[in-house]
Amino acid sequence: GAGVSQSPSNKVTEKGKDVELRCDPISGHTALYWYRQRLGQGLEFLIYFQGNSAPDKSGLPSDRFSAERTGESVSTLTIQRTQQEDSAVYLCASSWGQALQPQHFGDGTRLSIL
Amino acid sequence: DQQVKQNSPSLSVQEGRISILNCDYTNSMFDYFLWYKKYPAEGPTFLISISSIKDKNEDGRFTVFLNKSAKHLSLHIVPSQPGDSAVYFCAAQPLSNTGNQFYFGTGTSLTVIP
Repeated sequence: GAGVSQSPSNKVTEKGKDVELRCDPISGHTALYWYRQRLGQGLEFLIYFQGNSAPDKSGLPSDRFSAERTGESVSTLTIQRTQQEDSAVYLCASSWGQALQPQHFGDGTRLSIL
Repeated sequence: DQQVKQNSPSLSVQEGRISILNCDYTNSMFDYFLWYKKYPAEGPTFLISISSIKDKNEDGRFTVFLNKSAKHLSLHIVPSQPGDSAVYFCAAQPLSNTGNQFYFGTGTSLTVIP
């Protein structure tokens, strides 16, 4: 499809395991963002990629979290040694990366840590 | 430090009436403001935006008002329809910053009663 695609849509894993979440942005979008939404909370910024610039990692909550992006395409968010507080919906968004351009979101990955 | 605030977690209105959702921000560097709508189990969908050079932007039943001196924006939906029932997030972006990070409020859950 033409929208932002995230996989898997749901992930259940045991505490201490590593997980990898994938985001396929809209083709041509140079900017890509990861957010986390815990139950009953707002969107929490995690990381932002813009073209070939160094990513803005200021929102990553701990060194267990990392993300990569290949050029201006797919991004993966990796959480190592998962904890129960990592349970949340992880949302990816992309945009043209220019001023006055909105983000477009995927439907998220619902992560549950047992 | 919540730079974008939505102080009303929920709002109920009768079908056909006006819905007014409010948002306050603290960062005077914000130049671009957006509203997103989110249904359960879906990602946020872009609804309407406004840049700081305007004080009003209208798109069909949706109008966004910006009061820069008060650091306040609002979304008006008129007439409200049951399908408008969703969580609404406001977001802001500082264009003059080196990055293009968006800052989100915590959301207002709107229920339109048939």
